[in-house]
Amino acid sequence: GIQVEQSPPDLILQEGANSTLRCNFSDSVNNLQWFHQNPWGQLINLFYIPSGTKQNGRLSATTVATERYSLLYISSSQTTDSGVYFCAVDYKLSFGAGTTVTVRA
Amino acid sequence: GAVVSQHPSRVICKSGTSVKIECRSLDFQATTMFWYRQFPKQSLMLMATSNEGSKATYEQGVEKDKFLINHASLTLSTLTVTSAHPEDSSFYICSAWTGVGNTIYFGEGSWLTVV
Repeated sequence: GIQVEQSPPDLILQEGANSTLRCNFSDSVNNLQWFHQNPWGQLINLFYIPSGTKQNGRLSATTVATERYSLLYISSSQTTDSGVYFCAVDYKLSFGAGTTVTVRA
Repeated sequence: GAVVSQHPSRVICKSGTSVKIECRSLDFQATTMFWYRQFPKQSLMLMATSNEGSKATYEQGVEKDKFLINHASLTLSTLTVTSAHPEDSSFYICSAWTGVGNTIYFGEGSWLTVV
């Protein structure tokens, strides 16, 4: 199956800081999604982005399909952004290991 | 947006008993549902894919006789953990796909503790 690698594994931010999370995948994909898992386990779909760039408020994402990576940008981070961010690819959603983000007030 | 509900959200059962977890799509019909398990501080691992009216497709290494999946209707899939053991304790989460478009909706997850 497709291998999905996320970096960094952990990220500690001061409130208001910007950050970039990366997702590398081992083969071409038709589906790539970013999720945020809150401390209670709920998974929230952030972006469906197999290619191109999208923005939603303080979050944006870019996928360069030809180079097999995707980036998630968090701007002006808030404490509510804390949690684990997952990248998942393909129809069955193969998940990366996630990036644990902690935003400190 | 679309809502997927899981029940129960938390369950404790005794070793050797069976426990059923339900996954319902509340405002859409889900042709396909997926079941994942997630151990603490780890990623989600796909267990099986279920299509309404047909047998589930299990991922390699997942015991189909232990994790029974039934997708009896377009709005309900159930996961039954049979003869549960403490090592089955985990967070189980389902997702549902309408069959149209690419967005997959996740349930809230179910915490299973086997004592």
